[in-house]
Amino acid sequence: QKEVEQDPGPLSVPEGAIVSLNCTYSNSAFQYFMWYRQYSRKGPELLMYTYSSGNKEDGRFTAQVDKSSKYISLFIRDSQPSDSATYLCAMSPFSGGYNKLIFGAGTRLAVHP
Amino acid sequence: DGGITQSPKYLFRKEGQNVTLSCEQNLNHDAMYWYRQDPGQGLRLIYYSQIVNDFQKGDIAEGYSVSREKKESFPLTVTSAQKNPTAFYLCASTLGQGGTEAFFGQGTRLTVV
Repeated sequence: QKEVEQDPGPLSVPEGAIVSLNCTYSNSAFQYFMWYRQYSRKGPELLMYTYSSGNKEDGRFTAQVDKSSKYISLFIRDSQPSDSATYLCAMSPFSGGYNKLIFGAGTRLAVHP
Repeated sequence: DGGITQSPKYLFRKEGQNVTLSCEQNLNHDAMYWYRQDPGQGLRLIYYSQIVNDFQKGDIAEGYSVSREKKESFPLTVTSAQKNPTAFYLCASTLGQGGTEAFFGQGTRLTVV
């Protein structure tokens, strides 16, 4: 079983829809949770970063962490064609030294006009 | 502008050849990483370096080598021992040795011909 599971999609939605992207994980030591957006043939860019449980909002994006269920989500409101990309979740435990990032496989999202 | 520069963007290698991928950062980050990305899979860690003149193997180090002679530079050599080198290679950096917010370069697509 992988440490981080993410549905690869593809997920196709009409413009303006609310998108929900999710990851589950098995390691209860994970404390840092991140979402990256990756356009085709480009490097990932950091979208959202949260520590421990709770919600974080940034414009049209909301990241949610439920540590009791080992489940994280990214919501995109009023989705736009420019949101079409692969979204990768990533997470890491906390320790005093090196913290290894574990990535999900990524969910491919297509927003059509 | 601060960032991570990977070169070349596309690279072709013949069977039995070694090739070196370049990664330079001007973010003054301590730690640098090399990941490999294959279709349908998450990012897999090849090597990482937390400080100059020190580096550690990641999950899939076989057939790869690195050096870290300068803080800004972390080149990756794909040797002939790597049996399946065709992939998208991503370099990343984080501010501290325990940093979790990774910043990525734009990637190098390596193809064996």
